[in-house]
Amino acid sequence: DAGVIQSPRHEVTEMGQEVTLRCKPISGHNSLFWYRQTMMRGLELLIYFNNNVPIDDSGMPEDRFSAKMPNASFSTLKIQPSEPRDSAVYFCASSLSQGGRLFFGSGTQLSVL
Amino acid sequence: GQQLNQSPQSMFIQEGEDVSMNCTSSSIFNTWLWYKQDPGEGPVLLIALYKAGELTSNGRLTAQFGITRKDSFLNISASIPSDVGIYFCAGQNFVTGNQFYFGTGTSLTVIP
Repeated sequence: DAGVIQSPRHEVTEMGQEVTLRCKPISGHNSLFWYRQTMMRGLELLIYFNNNVPIDDSGMPEDRFSAKMPNASFSTLKIQPSEPRDSAVYFCASSLSQGGRLFFGSGTQLSVL
Repeated sequence: GQQLNQSPQSMFIQEGEDVSMNCTSSSIFNTWLWYKQDPGEGPVLLIALYKAGELTSNGRLTAQFGITRKDSFLNISASIPSDVGIYFCAGQNFVTGNQFYFGTGTSLTVIP
């Protein structure tokens, strides 16, 4: 099992640029989660999908953030335009719904200069 | 979103000592998970608990699902240097939603 795969591992960009983070969940998992981790706030849930449908996006900071899940094996998190305060580690995680175990990818370290 | 109260925030212990940490919530959960995160990596699942009172072990690690369903405990016995890292608890109530709520983490340092 390949686990949750995220790309890129590191992203350095300039303020105002568009950033796209990618995630491939574990095959067969039907729930997908995007988290952001910072020293100040810890792990924050941004959005999660069940069966490719966004269920709760209340954690998305503002309209600059958007997420899609066009099929069961792929999701993107986009930031447009990016700002320095978006600098953080972004994790994707997947699980089976209804009490499944949650597995994380290795994360994307985003630095916005 | 909801965050769980996890304590202690940090621990400095001698190699060979036992470690205990816990998580509490204001609401009940029907799943508790415990993770370890190494620098530059994603959290790795250590133990999953699904029933109140359940006690589960994974090597030197033992975790318990509290009877009230509002707390959970993780114990590490005979600590070794590679136990260093940040430990997180997470809880889920899949009746009210699929999201997992995370604790603030316990940073563990093991002194050889």
